[in-house]
Amino acid sequence: GAVVSQHPSWVICKSGTSVKIECRSLDFQATTMFWYRQFPKQSLMLMATSNEGSKATYEQGVEKDKFLINHASLTLSTLTVTSAHPEDSSFYICSAAGTSGSTDTQYFGPGTRLTVL
Amino acid sequence: AQSVTQLDSQVPVFEEAPVELRCNYSSSVSVYLFWYVQYPNQGLQLLLKYLSGSTLVKGINGFEAEFNKSQTSFHLRKPSVHISDTAEYFCAVQVGSTASKLTFGTGTRLQVTL
Repeated sequence: GAVVSQHPSWVICKSGTSVKIECRSLDFQATTMFWYRQFPKQSLMLMATSNEGSKATYEQGVEKDKFLINHASLTLSTLTVTSAHPEDSSFYICSAAGTSGSTDTQYFGPGTRLTVL
Repeated sequence: AQSVTQLDSQVPVFEEAPVELRCNYSSSVSVYLFWYVQYPNQGLQLLLKYLSGSTLVKGINGFEAEFNKSQTSFHLRKPSVHISDTAEYFCAVQVGSTASKLTFGTGTRLQVTL
């Protein structure tokens, strides 16, 4: 089956620093990638949708200048949390939808746990 | 806009007993329906999906779900649960192309005990 990886799996950073999270589709080309945020014991909330080579589309209430998304290739999307603060601590999960063979399903990465001190 | 309701936040069940996790959705257009499972500190794993065709969908790990358009439901069932089924289960809907965003329910915690 299709595999999506995320790196790092967990990260701890100081308040005010920036953190980059990578999402890769390992065995298929992902034309669309999604970034979700999940607070403890809560559901996934979509942050943004990114298409390869285009600007990301952010959901209402998500600060695009704080959560920078880049989808530079068909296998890689990155989420950068700029000037992170403790309230940005969360579990970030990406998903990817493919161009062929995996077009009927989104495949999820294992998630990245961000802790901001 | 579409929405998903999972009425049960927690479902306790004994091992080898049957279980049903409820999911209702609201949408003015046709939807695709999904059930995902999430183990602690992990991402989501697809259990099963309904895109079209037969309303009874079989998934992995012995789970199945039935799409009921008139009741706008997509309940997940398993005839005999195992301790390893303890996890968080999310129902989700998708509108339009399969590359569209997913809208998730709030999740149901299935707790299987001996």
